[in-house]
Amino acid sequence: DVVLTQTPSILSATIGQSVSISCRSSQSLLDSDGNTYLYWFLQRPGQSPQRLIYLVSNLGSGVPNRFSGSGSGTDFTLKISGVEAEDLGVYYCMQATHAPPTFGAGTKLELK
Amino acid sequence: QVKLLQSGAALVKPGASVKMSCKASGYTFTDYWVSWVKQSHGKSLEWIGEIYPNSGATNFNEKFKGKATLTVDKSTSTAYMELSRLTSEDSAIYYCTRLGSRYWGQGVMVTVSS
Repeated sequence: DVVLTQTPSILSATIGQSVSISCRSSQSLLDSDGNTYLYWFLQRPGQSPQRLIYLVSNLGSGVPNRFSGSGSGTDFTLKISGVEAEDLGVYYCMQATHAPPTFGAGTKLELK
Repeated sequence: QVKLLQSGAALVKPGASVKMSCKASGYTFTDYWVSWVKQSHGKSLEWIGEIYPNSGATNFNEKFKGKATLTVDKSTSTAYMELSRLTSEDSAIYYCTRLGSRYWGQGVMVTVSS
């Protein structure tokens, strides 16, 4: 199975600070159809995961544009440009290029 | 709007089975795969498997073959997952989702305890 390694595991930030989360894959996530099936989710305490980014860099519907995704192949990044209080929670990357779909271990974003 | 409404929490005894539901609304149920995802307490997410409601075709994570059974009722737009021979390792929250989309159920907490 594809292993997704997220760093850091815990991220402490102040409101307004810009932060980045890395997701590295054990295999290239470029599919033979030309798409890269890499997603980012935020899970707030007690809630279901909420999709932020799909196909590496596409902003999900209703997601604030302070979130952005980038990367290719095996290295991907989620950036938050100006953390807000509602952004606190655990961030997960997920790949669906290779079966079975797998998730990273998560990055907890907390207030410094 | 699209909704995935899951059944309520379950407390089950070791060795027993549990069946949970995921009722879809707001879209054509038979057009999209429905996935099931496990989240053990304080842990990350694991993909269990998926079912295509139109045909009943399924795909599973090898880890969950023999543990999970996926079915659908097209007449009620409901997907089901049954977990068998439960142990404490099966205590978790289980989500249904159209994987990769914004659509997730609210989760079902399953507790396995005598």
